[in-house]
Amino acid sequence: GAVVSQHPSRVICKSGTSVKIECRSLDFQATTMFWYRQFPKQSLMLMATSNEGSKATYEQGVEKDKFLINHASLTLSTLTVTSAHPEDSSFYICSARDRIDSPLHFGNGTRLTVT
Amino acid sequence: AQSVTQLDSQVPVFEEAPVELRCNYSSSVSVYLFWYVQYPNQGLQLLLKYLSGSTLVESINGFEAEFNKSQTSFHLRKPSVHISDTAEYFCAVSRKTSYDKVIFGPGTSLSVIP
Repeated sequence: GAVVSQHPSRVICKSGTSVKIECRSLDFQATTMFWYRQFPKQSLMLMATSNEGSKATYEQGVEKDKFLINHASLTLSTLTVTSAHPEDSSFYICSARDRIDSPLHFGNGTRLTVT
Repeated sequence: AQSVTQLDSQVPVFEEAPVELRCNYSSSVSVYLFWYVQYPNQGLQLLLKYLSGSTLVESINGFEAEFNKSQTSFHLRKPSVHISDTAEYFCAVSRKTSYDKVIFGPGTSLSVIP
C-alpha cells in the first residue's frame, strides 16, 4: 500500500528557533499534500493544502509566514515552523494523495515541543 | 463549505457487543466520505471509504458504514467489538472537485471494556 514517511517523529526545540518537518510519499506521486495540526484529544485541523510546484493554500487563521510549506517535488513536502514559541507545541501530521478520489495516506506525525 | 458532525465524543462499549459511531455531514455538492482510525500516539489509517456505487462499504476488520444521502449520514458499525478496536475514529468528507481539501469531524473515542 501507499506509504507516507514523516520525519522527525519527535523534536524538542528552544523558543525562537525554527524546525523543519519532512513528508515524503515513498511509492506514489503525491499531487496534493495536506498539513494538519492536532491538539491533545481533538480533531485534526487543516493548516494548508499544497500542490506540487505551486504555492500552498493556507486555511483562515494560519500564518503563512510562520508555517512555511514547500512542495518542491511530487514526493516531498516540508513544513517549517519559524521562530517557534511554546504555543506552537503540537502534533503535526502530513498526508498525501495522488488523485482526487484517492483516500489520504498519512504520515505518523511529528510531536513538536517548544521549550 | 462542507462540514462533519460526530455527535458522540466518547463511546464506551463492552467487548463483543455491537457499536455504532455516528457521522453526519453537510455539503451543497456530491462528496466522498471516509472513516479513519487513530491508535494512541500514531498517525491516521484509512478504515473505509465511499466514493460511488454500493452505499454499504466494508473494511477488512469487520467494520462497515452505510452512506445515506437523504439523511446525509455515514454511520460506522461493527457487530462485535474487540479490545484492539479501542481508538479514536474520525469521519471525513471531501468534495468531488479537483484538489479539494478533506475536512475531519471532531472524532469519537471508542473504549472497549473487557
